[in-house]
Amino acid sequence: GAVVSQHPSWVICKSGTSVKIECRSLDFQATTMFWYRQFPKQSLMLMATSNEGSKATYEQGVEKDKFLINHASLTLSTLTVTSAHPEDSSFYICSALRRGNQETQYFGPGTRLLVL
Amino acid sequence: RKEVEQDPGPFNVPEGATVAFNCTYSNSASQSFFWYRQDCRKEPKLLMSVYSSGNEDGRFTAQLNRASQYISLLIRDSKLSDSATYLCVVTPGGSGYALNFGKGTSLLVTP
Repeated sequence: GAVVSQHPSWVICKSGTSVKIECRSLDFQATTMFWYRQFPKQSLMLMATSNEGSKATYEQGVEKDKFLINHASLTLSTLTVTSAHPEDSSFYICSALRRGNQETQYFGPGTRLLVL
Repeated sequence: RKEVEQDPGPFNVPEGATVAFNCTYSNSASQSFFWYRQDCRKEPKLLMSVYSSGNEDGRFTAQLNRASQYISLLIRDSKLSDSATYLCVVTPGGSGYALNFGKGTSLLVTP
């Protein structure tokens, strides 16, 4: 299967700081990537759809000014959690859409964020 | 009502048992259906796609009933390594590819 990487794999930060998470598709080009968030014992929830060269599309209830998404190249999307607070602590997972005979999403390994 | 609903379990079964998971979805326009597997503190991994005709991959069989908006996964001859959370995943209708995840069903296979 295709490979998607995320960096960092985990981060601990103080409340009020900003955290950038990178998502890379390593062996295919992805015009579309997705950012999900998963709280303990909950399902993955889509936060936003990241489109290369255009603005991201945010799901209802997700603040676009707090969760900044940049998809400047066909292999990289970044999510910046601005002014992070403890309630932003979660497991953030990206996926990259590989188009072909069947569109398939490949997930990154996730980033665990803990805001103190 | 959640878009994708699953019995959270946990299902505790002995090695070699057959176990079935069920899932229902609310959006009748949903187009694609999948089962993903998620191990503890890891990302989801695609297990198999689900088709109306049903499909089988080794010990795993998936079925889709569009009329009832119901998806199932059957695991035969359970292995210890099958222990994980199984996520029912649906894509909405239209041109979007975003995935709607169920909360997952937890499976523990014991010796």
